[in-house]
Amino acid sequence: EAQVTQNPRYLITVTGKKLTVTCSQNMNHEYMSWYRQDPGLGLRQIYYSMNVEVTDKGDVPEGYKVSRKEKRNFPLILESPSPNQTSLYFCASSLGDRVYNEQFFGPGTRLTVL
Amino acid sequence: QKEVEQNSGPLSVPEGAIASLNCTYSDRGSQSFFWYRQYSGKSPELIMSIYSNGDKEDGRFTAQLNKASQYVSLLIRDSQPSDSATYLCAVNNPGYSSASKIIFGSGTRLSIRP
Repeated sequence: EAQVTQNPRYLITVTGKKLTVTCSQNMNHEYMSWYRQDPGLGLRQIYYSMNVEVTDKGDVPEGYKVSRKEKRNFPLILESPSPNQTSLYFCASSLGDRVYNEQFFGPGTRLTVL
Repeated sequence: QKEVEQNSGPLSVPEGAIASLNCTYSDRGSQSFFWYRQYSGKSPELIMSIYSNGDKEDGRFTAQLNKASQYVSLLIRDSQPSDSATYLCAVNNPGYSSASKIIFGSGTRLSIRP
């Protein structure tokens, strides 16, 4: 089954404790992206990657890191989480075509930083 | 001005009626337009994509695109309670070299009343 998976689905942590949220897709998509979703603010892009070893900042990159060592994986790293990073996080992937670029989303990770 | 604007709702529609959702966008160069449905706490799910002016129908859903007026709409015929969700409009941003810079609206919450 074609899908985007994320782990963990739920995470409660404390300020300053480094964490990683994994994302993996099995569709051979070139493009992958991370979003956060907060009430009233919609989906905001954190980072995206156009291909292996190619990443770029989205609209809200502060406090986050990413890496793209393999085509299928795109982990999101919070080196020192803070309470304002409490949010619902989605990973997405797409073929990366210039126009026909429907994005497919993972199930989401609900993060709470105390 | 937001790049992609939607009325946040809630939009309340009686069961069996037509639900009409609207979205405007700011960049005249945008080429691809998407409607996603998102149930509370779940990930966005692509329901329609449209790339050229006019109407595109898929079952009970019709997407309408008017590039001259910079709006895209989604009609849902014979509305069902299961259509109650938040609908996200998404538009590609042609200013980016990658096709996959997608801008999301904040979403319209739709409620179908029995």
